[in-house]
Amino acid sequence: DSGVTQTPKHLITATGQRVTLRCSPRSGDLSVYWYQQSLDQGLQFLIQYYNGEERAKGNILERFSAQQFPDLHSELNLSSLELGDSALYFCASSGGRTGTFGYTFGSGTRLTVV
Amino acid sequence: GQNIDQPTEMTATEGAIVQINCTYQTSGFNGLFWYQQHAGEAPTFLSYNVLDGLEEKGRFSSFLSRSKGYSYLLLKELQMKDSASYLCAVRGEGNKLVFGAGTILRVKS
Repeated sequence: DSGVTQTPKHLITATGQRVTLRCSPRSGDLSVYWYQQSLDQGLQFLIQYYNGEERAKGNILERFSAQQFPDLHSELNLSSLELGDSALYFCASSGGRTGTFGYTFGSGTRLTVV
Repeated sequence: GQNIDQPTEMTATEGAIVQINCTYQTSGFNGLFWYQQHAGEAPTFLSYNVLDGLEEKGRFSSFLSRSKGYSYLLLKELQMKDSASYLCAVRGEGNKLVFGAGTILRVKS
């Protein structure tokens, strides 16, 4: 257990629908990052939050949005889903008092759009 | 922008040594990371370099040359369980990690 919790683990939904992915960062970590990993691609950075505020944006589609709440958990909202949105979505956290420099990843949410 | 290159696939024999190279061009540099990722699982942290030189950690070592924009991950005494994707990632501006596409390592007996 990495300490980063993502729910749900699996999600199957139809095109045009909307889903919400949830992430609880490791205790003490203030930063949350969202990444998308498609079958034949590497980890694509979507968005970063730090202590509730958006810090950086990557290749995130307008149909996607995210937020970080006061308790530091984060949600990634995906709407008007398309087949191409099928992917593994990872959340990672960093910046805690343990002093680690890298990211700690959650186990991911596998989204399948049918 | 940022560009990170690593070989797509490599094959090595159990018990051997393999070196996975990574070259990068980034705006800002605050460290280079190597992660291991088994299929369908989360990436797990392997190593971190911010200064030039070699960092050794058991069977795994990582090297960095900032002037050349180059790093490698060295895996010794390969085991079947080392079959995985190895991701090179550079931390640039804003503490953001940018990942390479990953190198799939296949270990054969």
